[in-house]
Amino acid sequence: DVKVTQSSRYLVKRTGEKVFLECVQDMDHENMFWYRQDPGLGLRLIYFSYDVKMKEKGDIPEGYSVSREKKERFSLILESASTNQTSMYLCASSSGGRDSGYTFGSGTRLTVV
Amino acid sequence: DAKTTQPPSMDCAEGRAANLPCNHSTISGNEYVYWYRQIHSQGPQYIIHGLKNNETNEMASLIITEDRKSSTLILPHATLRDTAVYYCIVRVDQGGKLIFGQGTELSVKP
Repeated sequence: DVKVTQSSRYLVKRTGEKVFLECVQDMDHENMFWYRQDPGLGLRLIYFSYDVKMKEKGDIPEGYSVSREKKERFSLILESASTNQTSMYLCASSSGGRDSGYTFGSGTRLTVV
Repeated sequence: DAKTTQPPSMDCAEGRAANLPCNHSTISGNEYVYWYRQIHSQGPQYIIHGLKNNETNEMASLIITEDRKSSTLILPHATLRDTAVYYCIVRVDQGGKLIFGQGTELSVKP
């Protein structure tokens, strides 16, 4: 079964810490995406990548960066975690074809204290 | 990408068909209609997509009007496990990003 795997289901970090959220897909997909989901605000796109070493800002990139050194792995980095970054983080991938859907991971619930 | 409008919530009796509407009146000719659902505390799950023709798979059917300005997702025999938030999204598929709206919260009741 094809998968998008997020390294942690739950994570608790302290304010000011550097946080890495990892996402790995086994479908050889070109495109990968990071979203965050908050009550009342829905899913919002943070960053995405169409190829290795490429990245594009989504709608809410402030406070985040990403890394894509290998095709299968897309990392979201919180340089200095803040309490307003407490959220559910969702990774997704797609092949990018005209007829392709997205596969999402199960999510990482991050709490910054 | 075209915007979509969905009712915020719907109820459905277990075993009955659930019909979830979506309006996308500004859809362009090359934009696909996608449906996803999200069960509580899980990542969104792809259901079905279409361009012009009606589509059916093992999960659902998608009915797109002839003018493509609206569509309906049909779950033919809803079960309690179909309780979820359902998202209708239209986009030009160039590997492009998905923009999620608020979706419809479907509650399937016994």
